[in-house]
Amino acid sequence: DSGVTQTPKHLITATGQRVTLRCSPRSGDLSVYWYQQSLDQGLQFLIHYYNGEERAKGNILERFSAQQFPDLHSELNLSSLELGDSALYFCASSVESRGAPYEQYFGPGTRLTVT
Amino acid sequence: TQLLEQSPQFLSIQEGENLTVYCNSSSVFSSLQWYRQEPGEGPVLLVTVVTGGEVKKLKRLTFQFGDARKDSSLHITAAQTGDTGLYLCAGDVSNAGKSTFGDGTTLTVKP
Repeated sequence: DSGVTQTPKHLITATGQRVTLRCSPRSGDLSVYWYQQSLDQGLQFLIHYYNGEERAKGNILERFSAQQFPDLHSELNLSSLELGDSALYFCASSVESRGAPYEQYFGPGTRLTVT
Repeated sequence: TQLLEQSPQFLSIQEGENLTVYCNSSSVFSSLQWYRQEPGEGPVLLVTVVTGGEVKKLKRLTFQFGDARKDSSLHITAAQTGDTGLYLCAGDVSNAGKSTFGDGTTLTVKP
């Protein structure tokens, strides 16, 4: 158990819908990262938040957004869903944003299926 | 263009054999991590290497960081079926707040 929690574990929804994925980092970790993992594209970095502020963006679609709240939990919002958004979405947390190795601790993931 | 190239992509061996997988880049990394992932689960951190030439051992696993900090290798001695999984390397080029992951090596250890 990494200490990172993600809910829900599974999500099935239809095209065009909007969903919210939730992540709680390990106690004491200020950084939260979101990744998408699909069969044909490996683990793709989406976005990084540190202590409530956006720190880095990857190839995140405009239909996707995220935020980190004062209690450090984070939410990833996916809207206007398409079939190609079906994937595993992972959240990871780490202690620091800069100046230290990026040792990330991953949650169990949310499996999103868009039908 | 993939920043981190991992090879081989797939590896299937018998229990008891040794193996080495590689993680290569043309960029210099401030640090590099190795993770192991099982199907449907999140990656689990195995090790971080920071210093060029560094060697770290974790039981039967030996990790090496290249002198120039552009590449790394993972050697497993006497592989066991429990070593089966996807091995990912990840690194940050410029302390920019994001890690780049390689596509991984899928290892299957057969009994």
